[in-house]
Amino acid sequence: QKEVEQDPGPLSVPEGAIVSLNCTYSNSAFQYFMWYRQYSRKGPELLMYTYSSGNKEDGRFTAQVDKSSKYISLFIRDSQPSDSATYLCAMSPSRGAQKLVFGQGTRLTINP
Amino acid sequence: EAGVTQFPSHSVIEKGQTVTLRCDPISGHDNLYWYRRVMGKEIKFLLHFVKESKQDESGMPNNRFLAERTGGTYSTLKVQPAELEDSGVYFCASSQLFRNTEAFFGQGTRLTVV
Repeated sequence: QKEVEQDPGPLSVPEGAIVSLNCTYSNSAFQYFMWYRQYSRKGPELLMYTYSSGNKEDGRFTAQVDKSSKYISLFIRDSQPSDSATYLCAMSPSRGAQKLVFGQGTRLTINP
Repeated sequence: EAGVTQFPSHSVIEKGQTVTLRCDPISGHDNLYWYRRVMGKEIKFLLHFVKESKQDESGMPNNRFLAERTGGTYSTLKVQPAELEDSGVYFCASSQLFRNTEAFFGQGTRLTVV
């Protein structure tokens, strides 16, 4: 069983829709949760990170962590074609970006 | 400020040959990480340098892989001899020593072993 499960998609939605991306994990030692965005032929780029359960908002993006259910989500409001990319969840047992454990990534397409 | 730079961007080699990948981290970043993504799988941790010292190399697949970071600046990852299953995208990332909430990734080196 993988430590982090993420549906690879692909996911295709119309412009302006609310997008929900999710990951589940099995290791209760994870305490640092991140979402990365990766455009084709580029490296992953950090979108958001959080240390604890709850919500964190940054512009059109909201990250949600439920440690009791071992479930994290990323919501994108008012989605734009420029949001089309692969979204990767990543986690670490340490309080920082060390030895990240990644999900497989969800390929997202926003259609104009 | 320059980001994390990796060379080459793409390498095609024959099974049994040697390949060396290079990573130039962001200046001043003491943490340097190597990750790998093989086809259809998730990105996986290979190893972690703090300055020139290997902090954690638990993800290195076998002794055909050798990573170095002489002088604590750039790093190289050598695969010798390369096997077909080594094909994938190799990412390097770096972060500050004490403010390591964000690891900055390079664009990756796509390695194809034929």
